[in-house]
Amino acid sequence: EPEVTQTPSHQVTQMGQEVILRCVPISNHLYFYWYRQILGQKVEFLVSFYNNEISEKSEIFDDQFSVERPDGSNFTLKIRSTKLEDSAMYFCASSRQGLNEQFFGPGTRLTVL
Amino acid sequence: SQELEQSPQSLIVQEGKNLTINCTSSKTLYGLYWYKQKYGEGLIFLMMLQKGGEEKSHEKITAKLDEKKQQSSLHITASQPSHAGIYLCGADDNSGYALNFGKGTSLLVTP
Repeated sequence: EPEVTQTPSHQVTQMGQEVILRCVPISNHLYFYWYRQILGQKVEFLVSFYNNEISEKSEIFDDQFSVERPDGSNFTLKIRSTKLEDSAMYFCASSRQGLNEQFFGPGTRLTVL
Repeated sequence: SQELEQSPQSLIVQEGKNLTINCTSSKTLYGLYWYKQKYGEGLIFLMMLQKGGEEKSHEKITAKLDEKKQQSSLHITASQPSHAGIYLCGADDNSGYALNFGKGTSLLVTP
């Protein structure tokens, strides 16, 4: 069964460093998303991406964040200068058509020290 | 912005018992999604409801959407330890691109 994969599973970084979180969505999906979940809190939408551009982003997704689909298979989330409050589980998701059934990856746990 | 309130926050039931989890939206529901999350893992899609009065079932899990009440319920019949986890409801924010999630209901099923 096809699945969304994410790497790394756990990333530890120093405050102020740049991190890139990687995702491989399901191959025939056209819509891609990033969500995050701070420990003990709800899952929060960050950004959606379709047709090589951002279709929607939340207030959380400020200038420190960027997304890219560098090739036909990867979808990345970059945080330019990490802050302590960026520590969270980051989930990538993809869907074939709009908001129909989003498939989530297992997540990357980001720890900022 | 839309808020989704789930109740109860947590639930401990004995194996074999039935249970219901509710999700109430502060705004009109355009689509309601149920996911299950095992602790520290990703979200697993359970069901999507789009029309008022719609009801869907998968194995022993049934979800209903009451559009007028802006509410959805998830019912598990004859619960099993494998049902344990965190159940999340998510709703379309009407942009067509983002899901807002509730805080989740933590379910533990005891033998």
